[in-house]
Amino acid sequence: GNSVTQMEGPVTLSEEAFLTINCTYTATGYPSLFWYVQYPGEGLQLLLKATKADDKGSNKGFEATYRKETTSFHLEKGSVQVSDSAVYFCALALMNSGGYQKVTFGTGTKLQVIP
Amino acid sequence: DAGITQSPRHKVTETGTPVTLRCHQTENHRYMYWYRQDPGHGLRLIHYSYGVKDTDKGEVSDGYSVSRSKTEDFLLTLESATSSQTSVYFCAISLRNGELFFGEGSRLTVL
Repeated sequence: GNSVTQMEGPVTLSEEAFLTINCTYTATGYPSLFWYVQYPGEGLQLLLKATKADDKGSNKGFEATYRKETTSFHLEKGSVQVSDSAVYFCALALMNSGGYQKVTFGTGTKLQVIP
Repeated sequence: DAGITQSPRHKVTETGTPVTLRCHQTENHRYMYWYRQDPGHGLRLIHYSYGVKDTDKGEVSDGYSVSRSKTEDFLLTLESATSSQTSVYFCAISLRNGELFFGEGSRLTVL
């Protein structure tokens, strides 16, 4: 089956530090890949996405590149801010034979940025 | 922009009582989902719907049922709530290429 593995948290960084959250996946086929962010007390919201190999998704200073050869989609940001403190989820989506997009999530990585 | 409203946002109930959570969307998106979020498990799919009266089970469907009598509403029912169903429940709709748009969540506590 499909699966997503992301690094255990929590990750604690000082403001302006470089962030990497690792994500690797297993899938039969060619999935679309996503990073979602969840701020305290809120639902998940899409942060960025990539739909094919070598695509780079980017948003709000975050980036992730779809690496088919290493089945990875690592999230990076050059300089984190306190406002980036949240839980980050890696996910993949694959269309099945019935036309349904099956989405599989990782377990989430909590990021805490301290001033 | 897609809009999703979940109700109730918070509920405390007792073991053995029935509970219904409602998800309402403002646009005619075909696919709707119910997930639960628990520490250490991320998000797990309970049920999903691909149209009016068309639903199917997800990976953790035991103890849950769903109904979709109108495009805009997707109901999740716990027939007899148990403490293991204490969780945060999220409704989502599918936009494109597997991208999901989530509601704000319903926090359920079963005592």
